[in-house]
Order: sequence, then structure tokens, then C-alpha cells
Amino acid sequence: NAGVMQNPRHLVRRRGQEARLRCSPMKGHSHVYWYRQLPEEGLKFMVYLQKENIIDESGMPKERFSAEFPKEGPSILRIQQVVRGDSAAYFCASSPSVDTEAFFGQGTRLTVV
Amino acid sequence: GENVEQHPSTLSVQEGDSAVIKCTYSDSASNYFPWYKQELGKGPQLIIDIRSNVGEKKDQRIAVTLNKTAKHFSLHITETQPEDSAVYFCAGSSDSRLTFGEGTQLTVNP
Repeated sequence: NAGVMQNPRHLVRRRGQEARLRCSPMKGHSHVYWYRQLPEEGLKFMVYLQKENIIDESGMPKERFSAEFPKEGPSILRIQQVVRGDSAAYFCASSPSVDTEAFFGQGTRLTVV
Repeated sequence: GENVEQHPSTLSVQEGDSAVIKCTYSDSASNYFPWYKQELGKGPQLIIDIRSNVGEKKDQRIAVTLNKTAKHFSLHITETQPEDSAVYFCAGSSDSRLTFGEGTQLTVNP
């Protein structure tokens, strides 16, 4: 049973470009969470999704950021018109139900130049 | 919302000694408290967790205690080894989302 798969592992974007981060949850997991980690800081919650539904997006910036978890395929975190402050590690986690073990992927390290 | 505080931010111990990391939380509705270990360049790895109806849980050299009245929980690592060196995060679960502490950089000196 493969773990949570994130790709790409590293992503470099110029200011103003779009970044698309992908997350495939563990098999059987229908709950997906996205977190952002700035250098030498903790993990900050961004968004919680179930299949085709956004459950909680209270941690997402109001502009430029969006997330989806379609019926088929991976969850996507999309950042439009990236700025240098978006540079961070973005982690996806999945769980089989609420308030249970959440397993993290290896993250996508976004660098905006 | 939930607020989780973690102490200390750095901890250095000699191999074989014990290490203790403490966290406090604010939301009395939180009922699930996992601990994660993060090595450099990797994602957080779940190492142990505890639910609010349990006071203590142990898994080999790792144990977690929870005091629900005082709203604090602790991670205990005994007989530390150099491979235990990493950043450790506590978290509290409220409204189906995890709120993390700021992390503890544990260094085990051989």
C-alpha cells in the first residue's frame, strides 16, 4: 500500500507564473489536507477536502490559492501569480475518516524566483 | 480555534538519556493528539497518538501522556539514540483539522 504521493518534489516558478501541486492520498482515504511549512517553522493548516467537496478552507489565502479533490484523480493545490512569499514546503496528508491518523506525503518544495 | 504551544524549541541530550517534550492546547473540544517526527527534507511521520479518553500510551521507547484537565500532553523518549535526532511536532485535532505546535529540534549526541 503506497503512502501519500506528492509531485513534483521540487518546483521552481518565476514570479507571476502558476504553480500546480498534486497529491494522491493513500488507498482507501477520502479525506485530504494541505499544510504549508515555511523554513524552520511549524505546519500551518490550509484546506481540508473530501471527494469533490471543500470542507474547511479557513487557512487558505483569499486570493490566488485554490484547491480541489475531484471524483477521479489527485487533489490539486493551485497557486496563481506566485510571489516570493509563496516559497515554502507544501505538504498533503490523508486519512480514512475524521479525527483519525493522518499520514503525510514527502511534500513539494516550491521556490519562486 | 485551537492553539497549541510546544516546549522546548530545542533539546540536546546524550545518547541513552531520556527526552521529554511538552505541549499545551486551548480548545477543550480537541480529542485527538498525534506526535510527528520530521527529518530534514522529509514529510512528517506519525510516531504515536493518543485520544482524550486515555491518559497514557506507550510504544516501545516512546510514550505519550495526556492531562485533559490541565490541557497538556507530553512525549517521552527513553534510551535515546542518534537516529532519534529530528524535529518533533505535537498537534491537537479540533473540527477535523490538526493544529501543530512550532516544533522541537531534538539532538541526540553520541
